Amino acid sequence: EVQLVESGGGLVQPGGSLRLSCAASGFTFSGYSMHWVRQAPGKGLEYVSAISTSGGITFYEDSVKGRFTISRDISKNTLYLQMDSLRTEDTAIYYCARDTPGLDWAFDYWGQGTLVTVSS
Amino acid sequence: QSALTQPASVSGSPGQSITISCAGTSSDIGGYNYVSWYQHHPDKAPKLIIYDVIHRPSGVSNRFSGSKSGNTASLTISGLQVEDEADYYCSSFTTTLRNIFGTGTKVTVL
Repeated sequence: EVQLVESGGGLVQPGGSLRLSCAASGFTFSGYSMHWVRQAPGKGLEYVSAISTSGGITFYEDSVKGRFTISRDISKNTLYLQMDSLRTEDTAIYYCARDTPGLDWAFDYWGQGTLVTVSS
Repeated sequence: QSALTQPASVSGSPGQSITISCAGTSSDIGGYNYVSWYQHHPDKAPKLIIYDVIHRPSGVSNRFSGSKSGNTASLTISGLQVEDEADYYCSSFTTTLRNIFGTGTKVTVL
C-alpha cells in the first residue's frame, strides 16, 4: 500500500525556519517525481515545488523561490522541504504528493498534510 | 497567472449531471494535455479523479469524466451522489515549468 506521511510542521515566528519531511513507503521511491502542495486556511490548493526522480531537477513556485529548498534522500525514502525566511502568508497545510508513473504532472497519492503556522 | 478560473460553487440534485469549468490560457490548459482534477473532502487528502484531460485512475468511478476545448477544461459528474459533495480543483502544467491549480469549486448535492 502506498503511504506518504508528512511531519515537521508547527508554530514558527516570521523569519524563522522549518524542515518538513515526507516518509514514503509501499512503492519504489526512487522511480517517481515528487511534489509539495499547500493549502492556506480557507483558501484553495497552491502548488509549491517539485523534484525529479534523481533529485537533480527542481521547480519552485515564484512566491517561495529562493526561500524554500526541496530535496530527497533515496536511502531513507524521504522527501524534504526546507523552509527559510518564513512569512505569515506561508501559513498552510503542506501536503507531499507523488507524480503519476507517466510523469503527467498529476498527483496520484497524497499525504494527510502537516500544518505550518507562521506567527509572532 | 496566479490560478486557473473555476466557478465558486455548483449544485445539483441526486442523479443529475453537473459540469465544472476550468478556464486557463494558451500557456497552460491550451498548451498541454496535462490537465488533472482532484476531489477534496474536508480534513482528508485530495484525491486524483482525472489526469491527462480525460483519463481516470484505477478505482475512480466512471461517473467522473473530463474534457478540454481550447483553453478551458471541464469535469462532468454524472448520476450525482451525496458522497460527491466536496471541493473540486483543476490543475495544469504550464510553460513556466510548474503546475497551477484552479480556484476550486464547492459541489453541493441538494
